[in-house]
Amino acid sequence: AQKITQTQPGMFVQEKEAVTLDCTYDTSDQSYGLFWYKQPSSGEMIFLIYQGSYDEQNATEGRYSLNFQKARKSANLVISASQLGDSAMYFCAFPPYGGGGFQKLVFGTGTRLLVSP
Amino acid sequence: DVKVTQSSRYLVKRTGEKVFLECVQDMDHENMFWYRQDPGLGLRLIYFSYDVKMKEKGDIPEGYSVSREKKERFSLILESASTNQTSMYLCASSFGQINEKLFFGSGTQLSVL
Repeated sequence: AQKITQTQPGMFVQEKEAVTLDCTYDTSDQSYGLFWYKQPSSGEMIFLIYQGSYDEQNATEGRYSLNFQKARKSANLVISASQLGDSAMYFCAFPPYGGGGFQKLVFGTGTRLLVSP
Repeated sequence: DVKVTQSSRYLVKRTGEKVFLECVQDMDHENMFWYRQDPGLGLRLIYFSYDVKMKEKGDIPEGYSVSREKKERFSLILESASTNQTSMYLCASSFGQINEKLFFGSGTQLSVL
């Protein structure tokens, strides 16, 4: 079964520093994609960034970038220049292509990031 | 702005009650999903729908059913609520492509007493 793992339940970072949130996955598919979502205390899941397995370059969206290492099956999220508003839960997610063609995201257990002044 | 709206932010029900959680999207999305979120377990897929009147079981469908009579609305039904169904329920929707991002509602925190 396809699986996605986030090993850091919580992370602390000081404002303006960079932080890396880990995500590893397990799949036998050759073509797949990885998503990162942010969930602030308000509860709504906010899409941050997407990486396709055949994308030649690591994805970037503003202060967010993905450190995608396909051979290691890892897709770590890097947040540069952390801000207080980055304090939230972060989830990586993975739509298994083997799921009969249906788009069903499988989520990791999440990492709670706390940014301190 | 795209919007996924869940009818209630907080809900308190009694054991054995029939519970309806409603979700409406205004983006003409084909796919709609219901997840439950529990601490330490992340989000787990209960059911999803890829078209009107079509539904597929997710990873934890037991104790739940769904209804999609109109494209914009996807309802999650707890036929007889139990205390172990106390959780945060998140609805999401997306276009049909497999690498499309999901748009989420704000969630419904359900407590079953």
